[in-house]
Amino acid sequence: EDQVTQSPEALRLQEGESSSLNCSYTVSGLRGLFWYRQDPGKGPEFLFTLYSAGEEKEKERLKATLTKKESFLHITAPKPEDSATYLCAVPGGGADGLTFGKGTHLIIQP
Amino acid sequence: DAMVIQNPRYQVTQFGKPVTLSCSQTLNHNVMYWYQQKSSQAPKLLFHYYDKDFNNEADTPDNFQSRRPNTSFCFLDIRSPGLGDAAMYLCATSRSRWGGQDEQFFGPGTRLTVL
Repeated sequence: EDQVTQSPEALRLQEGESSSLNCSYTVSGLRGLFWYRQDPGKGPEFLFTLYSAGEEKEKERLKATLTKKESFLHITAPKPEDSATYLCAVPGGGADGLTFGKGTHLIIQP
Repeated sequence: DAMVIQNPRYQVTQFGKPVTLSCSQTLNHNVMYWYQQKSSQAPKLLFHYYDKDFNNEADTPDNFQSRRPNTSFCFLDIRSPGLGDAAMYLCATSRSRWGGQDEQFFGPGTRLTVL
């Protein structure tokens, strides 16, 4: 059974304090790994897709990386507006649905 | 802007009273999904449509049904809501189903409260 585990569950940082979020996965034949951002009371917002080990993608203060067993979301010099829950997911749960991790709840304090 | 729209944003129903949630999309995507997300939990796939081909997840309760009358619209019917069905219901779309490699775009969700 496909599994996605995210850590930590919650993370509180000071503005400007860089850190990384972890997503470890167990799937038979990775077809991609997705990162989403979810604000309270809203639907997930797509950030990145990674397809193969060694791949990296960047967007503003965020950089996602992928190895054969895990993915990291690096946040550089975060701002309070980066506060959100960050979800990672892999295709699974049937032909095309996504299997999500529980997410990391990130709080950036000014 | 092309988008995924869900109505209503908030729905309150009584225990056992049928309820319908709606989703529409202007992306012209072939695949539409319904997820259930309970508080502080990961979204969980209920079912999806590829065009009109309906695919039910094995553990989705029979209490949940779905309809897709055309490409743009999809409905989630809960026949007899229980207290455990209170959750955020998320609709998503993707361009294709092949290999699951297309990103899914989510609507804002409908928060269902069951009294």
